[in-house]
Amino acid sequence: NAGVTQTPKFQVLKTGQSMTLQCAQDMNHNSMYWYRQDPGMGLRLIYYSASEGTTDKGEVPNGYNVSRLNKREFSLRLESAAPSQTSVYFCASSEGGLAPGYNSPLHFGNGTRLTVT
Amino acid sequence: GNSVTQMEGPVTLSEEAFLTINCTYTATGYPSLFWYVQYPGEGLQLLLKATKADDKGSNKGFEATYRKETTSFHLEKGSVQVSDSAVYFCALMSQGNLIFGKGTKLSVKP
Repeated sequence: NAGVTQTPKFQVLKTGQSMTLQCAQDMNHNSMYWYRQDPGMGLRLIYYSASEGTTDKGEVPNGYNVSRLNKREFSLRLESAAPSQTSVYFCASSEGGLAPGYNSPLHFGNGTRLTVT
Repeated sequence: GNSVTQMEGPVTLSEEAFLTINCTYTATGYPSLFWYVQYPGEGLQLLLKATKADDKGSNKGFEATYRKETTSFHLEKGSVQVSDSAVYFCALMSQGNLIFGKGTKLSVKP
């Protein structure tokens, strides 16, 4: 009963390094999301993918890229990490999406704690 | 625009106390409303939801009623347990937007 699986759980980067956060879901969901969670800021959407082959920017996309590799997998890449990207990153999936008329809840992974020094 | 405002924490209660966490919203159209819970070291989990006015969502002893007239979706539980200690997020989904509140941390002491 895996649900949404994120790797790695923890990561420390130096400024300027790159890395990819991996996410996979086994619920056959169409839509997938990347959020970041910062103290006092709640959750902010970075990118989402309404379906395989499509991606859209969210509230805070700068400094990130995403790839919807297939229906199961949605990766988040930091090309040149900055200290402002220190955060906890959550991947999520849902059966529906964000379009009007949909209201299916999101299923979240356990997060990746990223520190950029 | 759409927004969610929930009471700031932290909230500290004794076991078996009554819990209310206030949540109000502004939204265009007719939003769906959610409460999510985040236990330490984990991602968010859906706790309950309501999709139209006067709906009551309930789960694990928690309840929230969708009040259109007061644009509120307050979370309540009659008797909290230590295991309810977590961060609670109110959220709304409307016309292509999913908006989370900033979260309320609940600590329940034995």
